[in-house]
Amino acid sequence: EPEVTQTPSHQVTQMGQEVILRCVPISNHLYFYWYRQILGQKVEFLVSFYNNEISEKSEIFDDQFSVERPDGSNFTLKIRSTKLEDSAMYFCASSEKGRKGQYFGPGTRLTVT
Amino acid sequence: AQSVTQLGSHVSVSEGALVLLRCNYSSSVPPYLFWYVQYPNQGLQLLLKYTTGATLVKGINGFEAEFKKSETSFHLTKPSAHMSDAAEYFCAVSDASGTYKYIFGTGTRLKVLA
Repeated sequence: EPEVTQTPSHQVTQMGQEVILRCVPISNHLYFYWYRQILGQKVEFLVSFYNNEISEKSEIFDDQFSVERPDGSNFTLKIRSTKLEDSAMYFCASSEKGRKGQYFGPGTRLTVT
Repeated sequence: AQSVTQLGSHVSVSEGALVLLRCNYSSSVPPYLFWYVQYPNQGLQLLLKYTTGATLVKGINGFEAEFKKSETSFHLTKPSAHMSDAAEYFCAVSDASGTYKYIFGTGTRLKVLA
C-alpha cells in the first residue's frame, strides 16, 4: 500500500541553524500539508500546498518557514534560524481529494538545542 | 472557525469492554470528520471518516463512529476492546471545501486493562 515517507526520522540542531525536513507524498495525491505536534500538545496545522503554491497557512507559519515541491515528488519544509520552541514532531500529509482524508507520514522529531 | 473537543484525555477500559471515545465539533459549514490513531513513536493512521451519506461509518480494527448533526458529535466506539487498541486517538474536522486542512482535538489516550 502506498505511504507517505519522511526523512530524517530525528534531527537535532542548534538554535539559529536552518533545517530542511523532507517528505515524499503518495504519488497521485494533489494536496499536501505540514502539521506539527509539540510534546504533550495537540497536532496543529502549519500549511497546505496545492497546485504548486501555498493554499493556506496558519499563524504559526511565519517568515521563518517555507515550503517547496522542488521536483514533483518531494515536499520540503524549511525552518530558518531555528528556535528552542520549534522543537516538535513535524508531520507531512497528503490527500488525493479532501473528502478521502489525509495520509500522514511517520513524522520527523526536531530537537533544537 | 472550526474546533474539536475531545472529552477525556485519558480513558481506561478492561479488555473485552466497550470503548467509547467522545468527540464534539463546531463548524459553520458542513464538516468532514475523521478519527486517527497514533501508536507510540508512529504517525497518524486513518481509522475512519465521515464526509456525506450514511451517518454510521465503519473503520478499521472494528471501530465505528456515528455522525450526529443535532448533537454536533462524532463519537468513536468499539464493542470489545483488545490490548492492541491501546494508543492515542485524535478526532479531526475539516471544511468540505477549500484547503481541507484539519483541526485536531487534543487527543484521548486509551489504556486497555487485562
